[in-house]
Amino acid sequence: GAGVSQSPSNKVTEKGKDVELRCDPISGHTALYWYRQRLGQGLEFLIYFQGNSAPDKSGLPSDRFSAERTGESVSTLTIQRTQQEDSAVYLCASSQSGLAGGEQFFGPGTRLTVL
Amino acid sequence: TQLLEQSPQFLSIQEGENLTVYCNSSSVFSSLQWYRQEPGEGPVLLVTVVTGGEVKKLKRLTFQFGDARKDSSLHITAAQPGDTGLYLCAGRENYGQNFVFGPGTRLSVLP
Repeated sequence: GAGVSQSPSNKVTEKGKDVELRCDPISGHTALYWYRQRLGQGLEFLIYFQGNSAPDKSGLPSDRFSAERTGESVSTLTIQRTQQEDSAVYLCASSQSGLAGGEQFFGPGTRLTVL
Repeated sequence: TQLLEQSPQFLSIQEGENLTVYCNSSSVFSSLQWYRQEPGEGPVLLVTVVTGGEVKKLKRLTFQFGDARKDSSLHITAAQPGDTGLYLCAGRENYGQNFVFGPGTRLSVLP
């Protein structure tokens, strides 16, 4: 595809359920980022992948959050035992190499609502 | 982790007015980016600045990186309704891989 895609676009779940969010980066982009954006706020860094490895997981807010990337392509962000404070838009971005100053191309996000 | 502050938090102006928004930190950045985000979409990169004192122009938008690389400004001349959106700055610390985002300035340009 021409850009970064994310699915689902919207997800409503009940507190305590697990959710899985998917990101398809731009083909050939080796770096992939996940961010969380709460309503009316800026972006909160969650995790960064270079290829299939995650050298920086420092932003994951708790052990309920995990992410993986396979084949240097698709990434999934999993949130276990969701809580109401997990409600936010989850944005994925990819960049060509992850090197200094590289442009990040963002997907449209997944809006997660935990009831 | 460096903290980025942006001001003002909200700005509502009439079409044709000029405006400046600011991005500030107490620490030095190796580079800084500005993004614009429209409702329901991801942020889109506007510019990257890397040299202290650097000025870049993008049509009616002028970006400046502070001499000490701790702050940046975005000036919009003759704002148009299409400029409406959330303006985010993002700083990269110590040539690392990640950018730290500020909370954004939400701009509304009224026709």
